[in-house]
Amino acid sequence: AQTVTQSQPEMSVQEAETVTLSCTYDTSESDYYLFWYKQPPSRQMILVIRQEAYKQQNATENRFSVNFQKAAKSFSLKISDSQLGDAAMYFCAYRSDRFTQGGSEKLVFGKGTKLTVNP
Amino acid sequence: EAGVVQSPRYKIIEKKQPVAFWCNPISGHNTLYWYRQNLGQGPELLIRYENEEAVDDSQLPKDRFSAERLKGVDSTLKIQPAELGDSAVYLCASSLVVQANNMNTEAFFGQGTRLTVV
Repeated sequence: AQTVTQSQPEMSVQEAETVTLSCTYDTSESDYYLFWYKQPPSRQMILVIRQEAYKQQNATENRFSVNFQKAAKSFSLKISDSQLGDAAMYFCAYRSDRFTQGGSEKLVFGKGTKLTVNP
Repeated sequence: EAGVVQSPRYKIIEKKQPVAFWCNPISGHNTLYWYRQNLGQGPELLIRYENEEAVDDSQLPKDRFSAERLKGVDSTLKIQPAELGDSAVYLCASSLVVQANNMNTEAFFGQGTRLTVV
């Protein structure tokens, strides 16, 4: 079974600064997807960024980028120019590629990192 | 376009009482998920539907939990009777899976129902 580990229960950053959230995962599969979700107090999970394991290029979405190290099974999220609205819980998640691995569609989540942005 | 809609947002019940949650997925999404999120944890899958068929319910406590997805659209999740340990946030999500194209969109989540059992 796949597992996802987020070793930082809490992180803080100054507004306009950069912060990196860590995530490691364990899998024996070669094809899969990795995600970072943001969960504000409203509780709705919002997709921040998505990475396909077969892609060597790291995904980027505006101020958000990832450092995907497949061999090390590491998937960190970098938030640049942090804004007050970035404060939330951030969850790293894994999903099998059902079409090549025959795995489940379910997301396997880490325990999350609470990000505080200080003005 | 409307997102995933869940109701109610909050529910407080006494233990041993029944409770039901409702989810309306994004229009056109054929796959629906129910996740449970305990305090301080990430969500964990309870059940996944493809259209009206439950294809992964291995984590659903079947002695007290039940779910249905009539006509492959809306879904309800029921707990009867509720226990103190059922207090959690129940999240519904949906996605579109097209096998012919090997395509699966990311999952879109609703705002969840916070259940408190007292």
